[in-house]
Amino acid sequence: DTAVSQTPKYLVTQMGNDKSIKCEQNLGHDTMYWYKQDSKKFLKIMFSYNNKELIINETVPNRFSPKSPDKAHLNLHINSLELGDSAVYFCASSHVSGSEETQYFGPGTRLLVL
Amino acid sequence: GENVEQHPSTLSVQEGDSAVIKCTYSDSASNYFPWYKQELGKRPQLIIDIRSNVGEKKDQRIAVTLNKTAKHFSLHITETQPEDSAVYFCAATTYGNNRLAFGKGNQVVVIP
Repeated sequence: DTAVSQTPKYLVTQMGNDKSIKCEQNLGHDTMYWYKQDSKKFLKIMFSYNNKELIINETVPNRFSPKSPDKAHLNLHINSLELGDSAVYFCASSHVSGSEETQYFGPGTRLLVL
Repeated sequence: GENVEQHPSTLSVQEGDSAVIKCTYSDSASNYFPWYKQELGKRPQLIIDIRSNVGEKKDQRIAVTLNKTAKHFSLHITETQPEDSAVYFCAATTYGNNRLAFGKGNQVVVIP
């Protein structure tokens, strides 16, 4: 159950602050993702990295900057936090090999911006 | 890109009855269709998936059917139990594509 882990689990902060969320996977996957889930439960893809290379970059404010130091880690840094950034952020990983596309999700980081 | 739609958005069933959630997809090239279950406050977890070379797959009380011609697939839960109450997401993609197109989710409520 700790195959994809995220820290912190909860994050409460003031508007205008900068914060980071970390993600690690020990599944040996080559692709990692960040999703945002708002109060309506919709899972919105934000970014994806394959072997440390950015391959999906959705229409996300440039206050959000992902970083992948290696295949097993994908971090998300958010500058100048706004009220609308409040959501649950999920990291996920998969092995895009042509026969195994399943994405495995982390436990989520619940971000509340006050 | 792929567009996945889910219906209904909310489904209430009596315990012991069956629940069916339907999804449609737009890209005829999609060939992998996973279903995720998300319990309150938890992560989405894969419960079953189906590939385009089969029409049906079962795992205990859950089953998924795929109609490639009509471009829709469905999740069937039989003998529902209170622990089946959750949000269910369908998704679609093609092999080698790292982007899963998710539906908007169905809230299933099992009434004891």
